[in-house]
Order: sequence, then C-alpha cells, then structure tokens
Amino acid sequence: SYELTQPPSVSVSPGQTASITCSGDKLGDKYACWYQQKAGQSPVLVIYEDTRRPSGIPERFSGSKSGNTATLTIRGTQTMDEADYYCQAWDSSTAEGVFGTGTKVTVL
Amino acid sequence: QVHLVQSGAEVKKPGASVKVSCKASGYTFTGYYLHWVRQAPGQGPEWMGWINPNSGGTNYAQKFQGRVTMSTDTSISTAYMELRRLRSDDTAVYYCGRHSGPAAALDYWGQGTLVTVSS
Repeated sequence: SYELTQPPSVSVSPGQTASITCSGDKLGDKYACWYQQKAGQSPVLVIYEDTRRPSGIPERFSGSKSGNTATLTIRGTQTMDEADYYCQAWDSSTAEGVFGTGTKVTVL
Repeated sequence: QVHLVQSGAEVKKPGASVKVSCKASGYTFTGYYLHWVRQAPGQGPEWMGWINPNSGGTNYAQKFQGRVTMSTDTSISTAYMELRRLRSDDTAVYYCGRHSGPAAALDYWGQGTLVTVSS
C-alpha cells in the first residue's frame, strides 16, 4: 500500500519558521494537501493541490513540492499553530486516499 | 455556510455493527463526494472510503472491504457509514469529509463520532 512519511516532531520558537516534510514514492506525480489538527478537534485543511491555500487560512501557511517531497512551511509561527499536521495524497491507481504519519509541531 | 453534522457517540460490543450518519447543509449535496476517515486514539487519520451521492458509487479501502457499507439518502442530504463485525481495534473517532478538487482534499469535516467497541 502507498505510504507517506513525515518527521514525528518539529520544534520552533515563536516568530520563527517551521518546515514539515512529507515523502512518498511518486508523490511528484500526485497532488498533496495538508491538514492541521488541534487536540480534540476535527482536522482543518490548510493547503491543497500542493500550494493552494483555502480561504480563511493565514498567509503564513504555504506549501511547496520538489520531486517526491512536499513541504508545509509556517512562517512567523505563533503559539496557536501548535498542533498535529498531516499530509494527504490521492493514489489514482487505486482511487484511495492516503494520510501521512503525522508531525507534532511544538512552539516554545 | 457548509456544515457536516454527525450522529452521536456509540458503544458497541465486539461482533456488532454501527451506523454513523453525516448530515450535510449549505451546499448541493449531490455535487460533492463524501469521504469517511477514522482516527484511533493517539493515532493519525486512516482513510476508509468515499461515496458519490449523485450516483451512489463507492470505493472502499481494501482493509475495510466486506465490512463497510457507505450509503446516502439524498432526500435528507445525509450520508451513512456502516461498519460490521466490530472489533476492539475499531474503537476510534469516525469523521465524514467533503471532497474538493482533483486531489480529494477534504475541505469540510464533520465533528466526529466516537465509536467505542468493548465487551
């Protein structure tokens, strides 16, 4: 089955930049999206189609992709950004969705 | 605005079935696929499958085939996910999510339904 790998944790100081990677076989051929999930809440879409930001998502969130690695970048990180972040891609060969392993972002 | 409202928490015994509902509002129900995702305690999300409310077509993750059925009632803009032969490791929060765009990004999510499987 298709797998997406993320670092388990990222720590960042307030106001600094956090970068979270998501790697998978042939991810370069697929679109990636990113979700933020705070404790006890439903996930929130923060990036879709690799780089696009839904309305209402702050500009400090951005997405990029190089080869088979997608990256979520949070610039000027705020304490409210402390959460778990998951990437997700669509495996068109099986028409199945796949989530990444998840990254806990700590702001301290 | 778009809302997905799910049914309440359930407690089931091993071997039983559970049916979770997801009522949509604020958009044309038949215009968007709905996905179901579950999240076990302390774990990441796990994709279960999707349904096309317009055609009734479905696609289930291989792991759940034979145990899950997704359906809709378009007259009340509601989707359902039934999971049968429950086991203790099916204990999780189950979410519905609306599919947007070519990459199945889920732009709106329900509030989640906790299903606890315990003898």
